[in-house]
Amino acid sequence: DTEVTQTPKHLVMGMTNKKSLKCEQHMGHRAMYWYKQKAKKPPELMFVYSYEKLSINESVPSRFSPECPNSSLLNLHLHALQPEDSALYLCASSLSESKMAQYFGPGTRLLVL
Amino acid sequence: ILNVEQSPQSLHVQEGDSTNFTCSFPSSNFYALHWYRWETAKSPEALFVMTLNGDEKKKGRISATLNTKEGYSYLYIKGSQPEDSATYLCAHYSNTGNQFYFGTGTSLTVIP
Repeated sequence: DTEVTQTPKHLVMGMTNKKSLKCEQHMGHRAMYWYKQKAKKPPELMFVYSYEKLSINESVPSRFSPECPNSSLLNLHLHALQPEDSALYLCASSLSESKMAQYFGPGTRLLVL
Repeated sequence: ILNVEQSPQSLHVQEGDSTNFTCSFPSSNFYALHWYRWETAKSPEALFVMTLNGDEKKKGRISATLNTKEGYSYLYIKGSQPEDSATYLCAHYSNTGNQFYFGTGTSLTVIP
């Protein structure tokens, strides 16, 4: 199984809502990533988990809260988001946190109203 | 943020034409460069992982070269097919950045 799955595919939420994005992989990868991509911009790294520990947090606002319950799962909890947070959220994994290729999920398209 | 630039932004070619595009990155403290293909409504898919100056990698009709001293990589597609239509992203990893920085991509459309 060489797939990274993400749910939901699309999400519309109000600024007072709390929601979660989920990411799952069963390739035995020990590094998992969250990226944010706005239209016509490159994907920007938000968080990296390595061996289930947060290793990189790219100064992301606290309204985004990552969680890695086990080596196969990565969640992104969303609370009190702003309209400018509307974007495509991509999850990726790699064998380890190094120069190895990343396997991406299809993304969650988020719209904050 | 370490600037990674890709050119052109978009490209339309006829089926059967060969094409190439460029990824430019800072040449200091180079560690790795990745190329990804991203088809619409699908996940980005890794094409090549390149680490050594002078590296040449090939996968079917697609190949890539790497020049770490001058900070660029070329991706070549020979005999483009409609199924090659996608956005091609490069990502650069430096020892100082400690993460991958992506370019904005080159959007390729192959016209049948």
